[in-house]
Amino acid sequence: DAKTTQPPSMDCAEGRAANLPCNHSTISGNEYVYWYRQIHSQGPQYIIHGLKNNETNEMASLIITEDRKSSTLILPHATLRDTAVYYCIVRVGNTGNQFYFGTGTSLTVIP
Amino acid sequence: GAVVSQHPSWVICKSGTSVKIECRSLDFQATTMFWYRQFPKQSLMLMATSNEGSKATYEQGVEKDKFLINHASLTLSTLTVTSAHPEDSSFYICSARDQGTSYNEQFFGPGTRLTVL
Repeated sequence: DAKTTQPPSMDCAEGRAANLPCNHSTISGNEYVYWYRQIHSQGPQYIIHGLKNNETNEMASLIITEDRKSSTLILPHATLRDTAVYYCIVRVGNTGNQFYFGTGTSLTVIP
Repeated sequence: GAVVSQHPSWVICKSGTSVKIECRSLDFQATTMFWYRQFPKQSLMLMATSNEGSKATYEQGVEKDKFLINHASLTLSTLTVTSAHPEDSSFYICSARDQGTSYNEQFFGPGTRLTVL
């Protein structure tokens, strides 16, 4: 699976949009981009995933560049409960293969 | 989404003892489950892939004789840390693959914090 690069930490004001970038320049054509988050001392929580089209669900939006070498997770209106470590992972297809976690981005939402 | 539970949520044991951690998929069947370990302020590290009815596949550097994995049913996988030592103290997390979804989503358990004295 391709490696990902994320900034180690970010701050965001409560109520504002949080934009979390992820670089995956070696991604291959059959690899999906997944986003999970982990609130302190809990298991990771699924947020969203996509292949090449932008995706949106009730939690977030995922914007994938046309060349698929990077993506951005957008939390439209960040709340204090969104403070967590956010992991961007790329994985082959929908086969259910293993996830290999990178270092993630620690997002702190500031009141 | 689907629910994965772990038991116990935390455990403290003496050095040299063995500890068993259970991972259950509560409302779906999971032929594949995964075990991760997470040290403080670090990311999750995949330890092994647990397949129902067959032997687990361990990641490089993970001792299969120390971390025994059993996946005897479609809803239960167990991880046994044998002869635990203080360096095994960590946060152990399992995940289960829901084959019923269109994209085989993985759901994670809440984790088990192991402290070895």
